[in-house]
Amino acid sequence: AQSVTQPDIHITVSEGASLELRCNYSYGATPYLFWYVQSPGQGLQLLLKYFSGDTLVQGIKGFEAEFKRSQSSFNLRKPSVHWSDAAEYFCAVGARPDFGNEKLTFGTGTRLTIIP
Amino acid sequence: GAVVSQHPSRVICKSGTSVKIECRSLDFQATTMFWYRQFPKQSLMLMATSNEGSKATYEQGVEKDKFLINHASLTLSTLTVTSAHPEDSSFYICSARDSASGSLDTQYFGPGTRLTVL
Repeated sequence: AQSVTQPDIHITVSEGASLELRCNYSYGATPYLFWYVQSPGQGLQLLLKYFSGDTLVQGIKGFEAEFKRSQSSFNLRKPSVHWSDAAEYFCAVGARPDFGNEKLTFGTGTRLTIIP
Repeated sequence: GAVVSQHPSRVICKSGTSVKIECRSLDFQATTMFWYRQFPKQSLMLMATSNEGSKATYEQGVEKDKFLINHASLTLSTLTVTSAHPEDSSFYICSARDSASGSLDTQYFGPGTRLTVL
């Protein structure tokens, strides 16, 4: 069974500082990996995804993530955070559709607080 | 972009009553919708997969007689929590997959429904 671990429950970063949110996954084959952001009153929004190819993927809002198979990791990064980035971030893993299992498994989330 | 709505956004009910939550895809058709439950400071847990015109597929440990799912059209799925109890209080989130695509990345999430059972 697939699983996702986000070891940091809460991270506080100063506005303008760099950010890295950690994500480790467990899956028997090559996974589909996602990062979502959840803001109060809004649905989860997809930031970026990795399916195959280049292991460094670019997403929306200036975010990027790097897939490292050897470390089973898919960490999210942003070089300079903005106050509007304060939210809950979820990493998720999905089985490849051609295996017939299209469910997403989410990590427990990391709450990001931005201080002036 | 694609929008998924949920109604109501917040509901408070008495123990023993039933509550219906609607999930609508506003500008696309969704053959498949998903229902998740999120506890405070925890992850989203998939409850069931809803397919238009057929019975929902429930995850292990989810009582299908308690959480009734109906996906009667390509834009609407409903979750009914029957005989609700305080332990059913939670944040319920739906997502909808764009039928035109079908791959994992075209799953759009609703804003969630906060259910409080007194």
